[in-house]
Amino acid sequence: EVQLVESGGGLVKPGGSLRLSCAGSGFSFSSYTMNWVRQAPGKGLEWVSSISSSSTYIYYTDSVKGRFTISRDNAQNSLYLQMNSLRAEDTAVYYCARVRGGGSYDAFDIWGQGTMVTVSS
Amino acid sequence: DIVMTQSPDSLPVSLGERATINCKSSQSVLHSSNNKNYLAWYQQKPGQPPKLLIYWASTRESGVPDRFSGSGSGTDFTLTISSLQAEDVAVYYCQQYFSTPHTFGQGTKLDIK
Repeated sequence: EVQLVESGGGLVKPGGSLRLSCAGSGFSFSSYTMNWVRQAPGKGLEWVSSISSSSTYIYYTDSVKGRFTISRDNAQNSLYLQMNSLRAEDTAVYYCARVRGGGSYDAFDIWGQGTMVTVSS
Repeated sequence: DIVMTQSPDSLPVSLGERATINCKSSQSVLHSSNNKNYLAWYQQKPGQPPKLLIYWASTRESGVPDRFSGSGSGTDFTLTISSLQAEDVAVYYCQQYFSTPHTFGQGTKLDIK
């Protein structure tokens, strides 16, 4: 079964750090561009970051540039999001999502169940 | 950044009736090199992750019922559910993947009238 499973969420104080992980299984993880998408409580979807299959191309939304770092370990079939200098507005469910077809510009066909990040004092 | 605007925000529809959701992008998402519209539709039910319904504006994802269809080109797109079923109650999002940031619309909440 093709699957993505996120972990690493939790409660953190403003200014703190957290590292999210996403484990892929059931597909050739190293062949796919991967993304992080977040959803604040009761709000819509917000794309956060993407990383190409070999980590050559990395992109971020402006609000997280300089604070978040996306990375991957294809040998471990894992995607990561290092989040530093966290703010209350980063509170959200964070989903990892696979880009379909092996390209970099395509729809997101597989999503994890999400991990909740709460930034509060 | 490309801004995606959906209408309406909320849509009550009777069971068996047609539901139509619109999505407008602030600039064209039609790529001239391959004549493809870089536009997807997702369905999200409460407590669940989004599910891909439609990609390239009109291609149905495998396993998606054929009552779901997508149309449009350039900057104006539509998701149509031909005959609403109870299990279609959800929030629907459009997304452009033409350029980063890969922006989503604000969502349309579809429920039963």
